[in-house]
Amino acid sequence: EVQLVESGGGLVQPGRSLKLSCVASGFTFSNYGMNWIRQAPGKGLEWVAYISSGSSYIYYAETVKGRFTISRDNAKNTLYLQMTSLRSEDTALYYCARGITIAAIPDAWGQGASVTVSS
Amino acid sequence: AIQVTQSPTSLSASLGDRVTLTCRASQDINNKMAWYQQKPGEVPQLLIYYASTLQSGTPSRFSGSGAGTDFSFTISHLQSEDFATYYCLQGYSLYTFGAGTKLELK
Repeated sequence: EVQLVESGGGLVQPGRSLKLSCVASGFTFSNYGMNWIRQAPGKGLEWVAYISSGSSYIYYAETVKGRFTISRDNAKNTLYLQMTSLRSEDTALYYCARGITIAAIPDAWGQGASVTVSS
Repeated sequence: AIQVTQSPTSLSASLGDRVTLTCRASQDINNKMAWYQQKPGEVPQLLIYYASTLQSGTPSRFSGSGAGTDFSFTISHLQSEDFATYYCLQGYSLYTFGAGTKLELK
């Protein structure tokens, strides 16, 4: 069974940093591109970042480019999202999601890590 | 960046109805459109990808069509468990979600 478990969320002040982790199991993690997707309270889905299976290709949404860094450790089956210079508008539930097909369409999603940016 | 316009924003329907949602991309995205279902408090579920390919486990009453810029998603015979919010996602150039359609019981 595919499982993705996020951790590292919490309450953080504006301008501070936070690092999310996502541990994968039930599939060969190193074979799949991975995404971070977020959902602000009561709002829709917003794609945040993508990393290819071997970390050769990395892409970000314009809203987080230069502030967030996606990375992965295939030996540890773990995906990361380093978030810096956090803003109130970054408050959201952050999901990690496996990508399938050439287009890396997110299929399996974790339960999410809640990030609240507030003073 | 590719924009995706999803309509309608909300829709009221009855059990057994046939409903269709649409998404329009701001440029040609070939067939790189996916559809998700999200129920309150739950994780989004992939239903369809590549515009019309059913994800494993997706009931056959769900279908998708389209290519280029215009895409549609149809539920042929609404069942009680189908009332949820649906999102489209373009995966041609980076990723963009539609704003969502909330499907409610009339």
